[in-house]
Amino acid sequence: SQTIHQWPATLVQPVGSPLSLECTVEGTSNPNLYWYRQAAGRGLQLLFYSVGIGQISSEVPQNLSASRPQDRQFILSSKKLLLSDSGFYLCAWRHLRSGNTIYFGEGSWLTVV
Amino acid sequence: SQKIEQNSEALNIQEGKTATLTCNYTNYSPAYLQWYRQDPGRGPVFLLLIRENEKEKRKERLKVTFDTTLKQSLFHITASQPADSATYLCALDLYGGSQGNLIFGKGTKLSVKP
Repeated sequence: SQTIHQWPATLVQPVGSPLSLECTVEGTSNPNLYWYRQAAGRGLQLLFYSVGIGQISSEVPQNLSASRPQDRQFILSSKKLLLSDSGFYLCAWRHLRSGNTIYFGEGSWLTVV
Repeated sequence: SQKIEQNSEALNIQEGKTATLTCNYTNYSPAYLQWYRQDPGRGPVFLLLIRENEKEKRKERLKVTFDTTLKQSLFHITASQPADSATYLCALDLYGGSQGNLIFGKGTKLSVKP
């Protein structure tokens, strides 16, 4: 069966510090991968998606970036965090052979102070 | 641009009653419409998917309807239980997986009182 893991689960970072959130998927190959952010009262916002290694599409211009160095690995990064980057970050995967549903990771709580 | 709205931020009902949540969208009808459940501090979990050519879908105590004329989906939980308390999200799948992106509503927080 397929599983998705993301880490760290919680982190508190000062403004201006870097960020790296990592996500891995097991049990499938060539999935579509996604990073969402959920801020209070704002719903799920798609940040990045990837249909293959090295292929990244950005939905929202910001100081975040994403990379996909391996087929089942997706990384969200920032060189300098802003207060507005605080939120709940969710990695997700999808594969056409698994139907049209999207499967989310456990989430990472980021607080920028 | 495509918009999706879940009319109620919160819905409070008594145990045993039917909860009905509403999801409205603008512009194009999606190939699929999906419903997810999200518990506090957790990622959303898929519940049901309904296709544009389907009127209704059922799964146990859950029922989803899809009206492309009204551009609306209704999500029903019958015989609700306190364990059904969570935030429910609807999501539009415009292209049926070819681009793979879902547009999510903000969610409706359901509270079922014993």
